[in-house]
Amino acid sequence: RKEVEQDPGPFNVPEGATVAFNCTYSNSASQSFFWYRQDCRKEPKLLMSVYSSGNEDGRFTAQLNRASQYISLLIRDSKLSDSATYLCVVTNILTGGGNKLTFGTGTQLKVEL
Amino acid sequence: DAGVTQSPTHLIKTRGQQVTLRCSPISGHKSVSWYQQVLGQGPQFIFQYYEKEERGRGNFPDRFSARQFPNYSSELNVNALLLGDSALYLCASRPRDGYEQYFGPGTRLTVT
Repeated sequence: RKEVEQDPGPFNVPEGATVAFNCTYSNSASQSFFWYRQDCRKEPKLLMSVYSSGNEDGRFTAQLNRASQYISLLIRDSKLSDSATYLCVVTNILTGGGNKLTFGTGTQLKVEL
Repeated sequence: DAGVTQSPTHLIKTRGQQVTLRCSPISGHKSVSWYQQVLGQGPQFIFQYYEKEERGRGNFPDRFSARQFPNYSSELNVNALLLGDSALYLCASRPRDGYEQYFGPGTRLTVT
């Protein structure tokens, strides 16, 4: 079983639609949670952190359910520029005291006219 | 402020050769991590360094090694290259307070 599981998509949605991505993680000791966005052949870029209390940044809302080990991302009023791959990411503490990011395979979003 | 920088941008090597990739973190960041991303997958953790010490290693063979310098820049070395090492190699730096990491543009390595 993968540590972080996501539906790979693609999700094809019309401009203005609301789209939701889900993710589950297997390590209950995971410390922090993020959504990253990755455009084709580019590096991942931090989209937002995810908290149990939920957090919102403009059209984007992220939520964490620690009991279910479930993370979500909601995008409202989709724009063409939202087309990208969205990566669900958890952090785990390393034995040497550092931390590593563990990524899902990503969910591809295509927003169409 | 400059972000994470990596060099070279692209690299083509032959099986059996050795390669060195370079990374400079965001100013003030002392932690550098390396990740490998193959097509269609999320990045996989290779190494993390902090204050020149290795703080963690992912599930990669001993052909992969890294080091961090006093100015916090880092190098990733891969020996005896295999076709399967073809990937995007990403470097990321982390601020002192926080678990988020910021990625450089990556080095795209092709092994023929």
